[in-house]
Amino acid sequence: DIVMTQSPDSLAVSLGERATINCKSSQSVLYSSNNKSYLSWYQQKPGQPPKLLIYWASTRESGVPDRFSGSGSGTDFTLTISSLQAEDVAVYYCQQYYTSWTFGQGTKVEIK
Amino acid sequence: QVQLQESGPGLVKPSQTLSLTCTVSGGSISSGPYYWSWIRQPAGKGLEWIGRIYISGSTNYNPSLKSRVTISVDTSKNQFSLKLSSVTAADTAVYYCARDLGTISKGGFDPWGQGTLVTVSS
Repeated sequence: DIVMTQSPDSLAVSLGERATINCKSSQSVLYSSNNKSYLSWYQQKPGQPPKLLIYWASTRESGVPDRFSGSGSGTDFTLTISSLQAEDVAVYYCQQYYTSWTFGQGTKVEIK
Repeated sequence: QVQLQESGPGLVKPSQTLSLTCTVSGGSISSGPYYWSWIRQPAGKGLEWIGRIYISGSTNYNPSLKSRVTISVDTSKNQFSLKLSSVTAADTAVYYCARDLGTISKGGFDPWGQGTLVTVSS
Protein backbone atom coordinates (compact mmCIF):
# COMPACT_ATOMS: atom_id res chain seq x y z
CA ASP A 1 0.00 0.00 0.00
CA ILE A 2 1.01 3.59 -0.55
CA VAL A 3 1.11 5.32 2.83
CA MET A 4 0.05 8.96 2.92
CA THR A 5 1.44 11.07 5.75
CA GLN A 6 0.12 14.54 6.45
CA SER A 7 1.72 17.29 8.51
CA PRO A 8 0.91 18.85 10.83
CA ASP A 9 -1.86 16.88 12.52
CA SER A 10 -3.47 20.17 13.48
CA LEU A 11 -2.88 23.87 13.04
CA ALA A 12 -4.43 27.08 14.27
CA VAL A 13 -4.38 30.08 11.95
CA SER A 14 -5.70 33.59 12.37
CA LEU A 15 -8.56 34.71 10.15
CA GLY A 16 -7.21 36.07 6.88
CA GLU A 17 -3.86 34.34 7.29
CA ARG A 18 -2.39 31.52 5.23
CA ALA A 19 -2.80 27.86 6.15
CA THR A 20 -0.47 25.26 4.69
CA ILE A 21 -0.93 21.49 4.89
CA ASN A 22 1.63 19.01 3.65
CA CYS A 23 1.12 15.49 2.35
CA LYS A 24 3.84 12.98 1.56
CA SER A 25 3.36 9.64 -0.17
CA SER A 26 5.56 6.62 0.50
CA GLN A 27 6.07 6.19 -3.22
CA SER A 28 5.54 8.38 -6.25
CA VAL A 29 1.96 8.86 -7.43
CA LEU A 30 3.13 10.50 -10.65
CA TYR A 31 2.03 8.59 -13.74
CA SER A 32 4.81 9.13 -16.24
CA SER A 33 2.72 8.58 -19.36
CA ASN A 34 0.56 11.66 -18.73
CA ASN A 35 2.75 13.53 -16.21
CA LYS A 36 -0.13 13.72 -13.74
CA SER A 37 0.06 13.14 -10.01
CA TYR A 38 -2.88 11.03 -8.84
CA LEU A 39 -3.56 13.04 -5.70
CA SER A 40 -6.72 14.69 -4.40
CA TRP A 41 -7.63 16.85 -1.40
CA TYR A 42 -10.84 16.86 0.62
CA GLN A 43 -12.46 19.03 3.26
CA GLN A 44 -14.60 17.42 5.94
CA LYS A 45 -16.72 19.42 8.36
CA PRO A 46 -18.27 17.82 11.47
CA GLY A 47 -21.20 15.53 10.69
CA GLN A 48 -20.67 15.84 6.94
CA PRO A 49 -19.08 13.65 4.29
CA PRO A 50 -15.81 14.79 2.76
CA LYS A 51 -15.97 17.29 -0.07
CA LEU A 52 -13.62 17.09 -3.04
CA LEU A 53 -11.51 20.25 -3.33
CA ILE A 54 -8.59 19.42 -5.59
CA TYR A 55 -7.69 16.60 -8.00
CA TRP A 56 -4.62 15.92 -10.16
CA ALA A 57 -2.77 17.55 -7.22
CA SER A 58 -3.55 21.09 -8.40
CA THR A 59 -6.85 21.24 -10.30
CA ARG A 60 -9.56 22.96 -8.30
CA GLU A 61 -12.98 21.31 -8.41
CA SER A 62 -15.79 23.43 -9.82
CA GLY A 63 -17.27 25.76 -7.22
CA VAL A 64 -14.30 25.59 -4.84
CA PRO A 65 -13.14 29.07 -3.79
CA ASP A 66 -9.86 30.16 -5.36
CA ARG A 67 -8.29 30.69 -1.95
CA PHE A 68 -7.76 26.90 -2.00
CA SER A 69 -4.82 25.75 -4.08
CA GLY A 70 -2.85 22.55 -4.45
CA SER A 71 0.72 22.03 -5.52
CA GLY A 72 3.41 19.40 -5.70
CA SER A 73 4.32 16.37 -7.74
CA GLY A 74 5.61 12.85 -7.26
CA THR A 75 5.69 12.30 -3.50
CA ASP A 76 5.35 15.75 -1.92
CA PHE A 77 2.21 17.84 -2.00
CA THR A 78 0.76 20.94 -0.37
CA LEU A 79 -2.72 22.33 0.15
CA THR A 80 -2.76 26.06 0.78
CA ILE A 81 -5.62 28.19 2.01
CA SER A 82 -4.44 31.67 1.12
CA SER A 83 -6.70 33.64 3.45
CA LEU A 84 -8.44 31.55 6.09
CA GLN A 85 -12.16 32.13 6.52
CA ALA A 86 -14.30 30.97 9.44
CA GLU A 87 -16.09 28.48 7.19
CA ASP A 88 -12.77 26.77 6.39
CA VAL A 89 -12.56 25.22 9.87
CA ALA A 90 -12.52 21.52 9.06
CA VAL A 91 -10.36 18.43 8.75
CA TYR A 92 -8.47 18.15 5.47
CA TYR A 93 -7.40 14.86 3.88
CA CYS A 94 -5.14 14.03 0.99
CA GLN A 95 -5.78 10.85 -1.00
CA GLN A 96 -3.86 9.01 -3.68
CA TYR A 97 -5.66 7.27 -6.52
CA TYR A 98 -2.56 5.82 -8.17
CA THR A 99 -3.15 2.35 -6.78
CA SER A 100 -5.39 0.86 -4.12
CA TRP A 101 -6.56 4.22 -2.94
CA THR A 102 -5.38 5.48 0.45
CA PHE A 103 -5.92 8.61 2.52
CA GLY A 104 -3.73 10.66 4.79
CA GLN A 105 -4.60 10.72 8.50
CA GLY A 106 -6.11 14.20 8.27
CA THR A 107 -5.15 17.69 9.40
CA LYS A 108 -7.46 19.69 11.62
CA VAL A 109 -7.59 23.40 10.84
CA GLU A 110 -8.83 25.77 13.54
CA ILE A 111 -9.02 29.51 14.11
CA LYS A 112 -6.34 31.03 16.34
CA GLN B 1 -27.14 16.42 -10.00
CA VAL B 2 -26.16 12.96 -8.87
CA GLN B 3 -26.91 12.11 -5.26
CA LEU B 4 -26.09 8.98 -3.27
CA GLN B 5 -27.86 7.53 -0.24
CA GLU B 6 -26.73 4.64 1.94
CA SER B 7 -29.20 2.28 3.60
CA GLY B 8 -29.01 -0.80 5.74
CA PRO B 9 -29.00 -2.07 9.34
CA GLY B 10 -27.35 0.16 11.89
CA LEU B 11 -26.50 -2.71 14.20
CA VAL B 12 -24.78 -5.96 13.27
CA LYS B 13 -23.71 -8.77 15.58
CA PRO B 14 -20.09 -9.91 15.73
CA SER B 15 -19.19 -12.65 13.24
CA GLN B 16 -22.20 -11.77 11.06
CA THR B 17 -22.27 -10.06 7.67
CA LEU B 18 -22.71 -6.33 7.27
CA SER B 19 -24.88 -5.45 4.26
CA LEU B 20 -25.39 -1.96 2.89
CA THR B 21 -26.94 -0.55 -0.27
CA CYS B 22 -26.23 2.74 -2.01
CA THR B 23 -28.98 4.21 -4.16
CA VAL B 24 -27.95 6.63 -6.89
CA SER B 25 -30.42 9.33 -7.92
CA GLY B 26 -30.30 12.23 -10.34
CA GLY B 27 -28.44 10.20 -12.93
CA SER B 28 -27.81 6.71 -14.19
CA ILE B 29 -25.27 4.50 -12.45
CA SER B 30 -24.40 3.28 -15.95
CA SER B 31 -23.41 6.68 -17.33
CA GLY B 32 -19.88 8.01 -17.57
CA PRO B 33 -16.52 6.39 -17.02
CA TYR B 34 -17.17 6.10 -13.30
CA TYR B 35 -16.60 3.54 -10.62
CA TRP B 36 -18.70 3.29 -7.48
CA SER B 37 -16.90 3.01 -4.16
CA TRP B 38 -17.40 2.27 -0.48
CA ILE B 39 -15.35 4.12 2.13
CA ARG B 40 -15.57 3.96 5.92
CA GLN B 41 -14.59 6.15 8.85
CA PRO B 42 -14.46 5.00 12.49
CA ALA B 43 -15.60 7.64 14.93
CA GLY B 44 -13.00 10.35 15.33
CA LYS B 45 -10.62 8.66 12.89
CA GLY B 46 -9.57 8.83 9.28
CA LEU B 47 -10.93 7.45 6.03
CA GLU B 48 -10.41 3.93 4.70
CA TRP B 49 -11.27 2.95 1.13
CA ILE B 50 -13.02 -0.44 1.07
CA GLY B 51 -13.46 -1.14 -2.61
CA ARG B 52 -15.16 -0.19 -5.85
CA ILE B 53 -17.14 -1.58 -8.75
CA TYR B 54 -17.64 -0.68 -12.39
CA ILE B 55 -20.96 -1.22 -14.13
CA SER B 56 -19.43 -4.20 -15.94
CA GLY B 57 -19.11 -5.86 -12.55
CA SER B 58 -15.34 -5.46 -12.41
CA THR B 59 -14.19 -4.86 -8.82
CA ASN B 60 -11.14 -3.66 -6.90
CA TYR B 61 -10.78 -4.17 -3.16
CA ASN B 62 -8.55 -2.88 -0.39
CA PRO B 63 -6.04 -5.71 0.12
CA SER B 64 -6.49 -5.52 3.89
CA LEU B 65 -10.23 -6.26 3.56
CA LYS B 66 -10.34 -8.25 0.34
CA SER B 67 -11.00 -11.63 1.94
CA ARG B 68 -14.16 -10.33 3.60
CA VAL B 69 -15.59 -7.87 1.06
CA THR B 70 -18.02 -8.28 -1.80
CA ILE B 71 -19.33 -5.33 -3.82
CA SER B 72 -22.06 -5.82 -6.38
CA VAL B 73 -24.13 -3.61 -8.69
CA ASP B 74 -27.77 -3.68 -9.80
CA THR B 75 -28.07 -1.32 -12.74
CA SER B 76 -31.85 -1.92 -13.03
CA LYS B 77 -32.30 -0.42 -9.56
CA ASN B 78 -29.50 2.16 -9.91
CA GLN B 79 -27.89 0.67 -6.80
CA PHE B 80 -24.66 -0.89 -5.66
CA SER B 81 -24.10 -2.88 -2.51
CA LEU B 82 -21.50 -3.83 0.06
CA LYS B 83 -21.18 -7.05 2.01
CA LEU B 84 -18.54 -7.36 4.72
CA SER B 85 -18.37 -10.76 6.40
CA SER B 86 -17.15 -11.90 9.80
CA VAL B 87 -17.42 -8.46 11.33
CA THR B 88 -15.88 -7.46 14.65
CA ALA B 89 -16.04 -4.31 16.75
CA ALA B 90 -13.19 -2.94 14.64
CA ASP B 91 -15.64 -2.68 11.74
CA THR B 92 -17.79 -0.17 13.60
CA ALA B 93 -17.74 2.98 11.51
CA VAL B 94 -19.66 5.41 9.38
CA TYR B 95 -19.88 3.85 5.94
CA TYR B 96 -19.99 6.12 2.90
CA CYS B 97 -20.72 5.37 -0.70
CA ALA B 98 -19.20 7.64 -3.31
CA ARG B 99 -18.73 8.01 -7.02
CA ASP B 100 -15.17 7.27 -8.01
CA LEU B 101 -14.29 9.65 -10.82
CA GLY B 102 -11.73 7.26 -12.23
CA THR B 103 -8.57 8.54 -13.82
CA ILE B 104 -9.59 9.80 -17.24
CA SER B 105 -10.78 13.40 -16.96
CA LYS B 106 -10.86 13.79 -13.18
CA GLY B 107 -9.83 11.91 -10.06
CA GLY B 108 -11.02 11.36 -6.54
CA PHE B 109 -14.45 10.79 -5.06
CA ASP B 110 -17.43 13.02 -5.76
CA PRO B 111 -20.18 13.11 -4.72
CA TRP B 112 -20.48 11.23 -1.44
CA GLY B 113 -23.51 9.93 0.38
CA GLN B 114 -24.27 11.34 3.81
CA GLY B 115 -22.97 8.19 5.45
CA THR B 116 -24.57 5.58 7.67
CA LEU B 117 -23.32 4.48 11.07
CA VAL B 118 -22.92 0.74 11.50
CA THR B 119 -22.21 -0.56 14.98
CA VAL B 120 -20.96 -4.08 15.55
CA SER B 121 -22.16 -5.27 18.93
CA SER B 122 -23.95 -8.19 20.50
